[in-house]
Amino acid sequence: SQQGEEDPQALSIQEGENATMNCSYKTSINNLQWYRQNSGRGLVHLILIRSNEREKHSGRLRVTLDTSKKSSSLLITASRAADTASYFCATWNFNKFYFGSGTKLNVKP
Amino acid sequence: EAQVTQNPRYLITVTGKKLTVTCSQNMNHEYMSWYRQDPGLGLRQIYYSMNVEVTDKGDVPEGYKVSRKEKRNFPLILESPSPNQTSLYFCASSPREMNTEAFFGQGTRLTVV
Repeated sequence: SQQGEEDPQALSIQEGENATMNCSYKTSINNLQWYRQNSGRGLVHLILIRSNEREKHSGRLRVTLDTSKKSSSLLITASRAADTASYFCATWNFNKFYFGSGTKLNVKP
Repeated sequence: EAQVTQNPRYLITVTGKKLTVTCSQNMNHEYMSWYRQDPGLGLRQIYYSMNVEVTDKGDVPEGYKVSRKEKRNFPLILESPSPNQTSLYFCASSPREMNTEAFFGQGTRLTVV
């Protein structure tokens, strides 16, 4: 079974609004990563948060991690049409890399 | 430029005809892996390799083979493709350490008819 699950499955917002995506995972982790995928293309790494970190920022991205709830959230502030993509969380467990089911974000201009 | 290169990008083949999808990375990464992506099922790991000559099964290895004779290459082999292997395939690599990002190829869209 997949290590991570995300919600919502799809999210549609207007340009300029914030987008929040959530990820839950099942086992203990060393770190949790977020990736972005433009339609049918390869995944691109966005940000990594270690298990001893609670929050991390990178540009317009803010990631939080709650290891007690086994959950993480990705916030994209002031969204742009170019942010339209699918977003996945991913975790390492026993030499394997597990991906969540993804959130499909549509940012309308 | 650091990259993971997959070939081909698109492939249509017939059931039972052996094929190989190549994957090469230029970052001297030890860890490489293959995934398939299907609608509603997300990305699932097929095989991974921790180093040269060290490979192991992921979550969906049936019908696939891999080899890791050199550090930079990790080909995916379908000995007898079937229509249920129609999918979008990704290769990825990362350093051995677990606290680093993975780099992905651009994907191979395979159709088996």
